[in-house]
Amino acid sequence: QVQLQESGPGLVKPSETLSLTCTVSGGSISISSYYWSWIRQPPGKGLEWIGYVYYNGGTDYNPSLKSRVTISVDTSKNQFSLNLSSVTAADTAVYYCWRYDILTGFDSWGQGTLVTVSS
Amino acid sequence: QSALTQPPSVSGTPGQRVTISCSGSSSDIGSNTVNWYQQLPGMAPKLVIYSNDQRPSGVPARFSGSKSGTSASLAISGLQSEDEADYYCAAWDNSLNALFGGGTELTVL
Repeated sequence: QVQLQESGPGLVKPSETLSLTCTVSGGSISISSYYWSWIRQPPGKGLEWIGYVYYNGGTDYNPSLKSRVTISVDTSKNQFSLNLSSVTAADTAVYYCWRYDILTGFDSWGQGTLVTVSS
Repeated sequence: QSALTQPPSVSGTPGQRVTISCSGSSSDIGSNTVNWYQQLPGMAPKLVIYSNDQRPSGVPARFSGSKSGTSASLAISGLQSEDEADYYCAAWDNSLNALFGGGTELTVL
C-alpha cells in the first residue's frame, strides 16, 4: 500500500518561497498511470488543488496559482516537490500530497503539513 | 467560489438517510468521474467513493455514490454519530485541472 509523506519548513516569511517535498513509499513514482499532486487547505476552509506532475516531468497547474508554482519530480529519490514563490499570509494552509490513479480514479493522500507564512 | 457546488450543511438523525449533492458543468462532472471524501477534524481527507459509485475497501456499504449528467450525489444510510464530518466532492475538468466542491458539514442530531 502506497504511503505519501510531506516534509519541509513549517514557517515561511512573507515574500519568500515555500518549498515542500513528498516522499512516496510502497510504490514507484515512475508509473505512467498516476498524477502526483499538491493540494492545500487554509485553516477552516475547503480544499484547493495546486497542480500535478507526471512521472516524465509534465505538469499542469491551477490557473489562479500558475505564475507562482513549480512542481517537479525526482524519480531517483521517489519524491516530488512543490515550490510556491512570493508567499503571503493567504498561503498559510495545510499542504497535502495526493496520488490520483488515472485509470481507476482511486487516490491516496499524505497526512498533510501545516505551513504558516509569518514574519 | 468553488468550481463544484455543494450545500454548506446537511443534518440528520441516527438511522436516517441523508444525501449530499455536488453540481458542476459539462466540462467537469459531465465528462469525468467523481470522487467523494470524508474529513474529520484535524485529519486528512479520506476517500469514501471513487469513480462515481465505487467504495474503497473498508468503507461501509452505508456509503453510496451516483452521478447523473452534471451532478453527483453521496448518500449515507443508517446514519451514525461517527459519520459527522465534512464531505467534499472532486472531479477533473477537460483541461486536466482538479476541482473540489466547497465542502458540506454533516451534523448528526
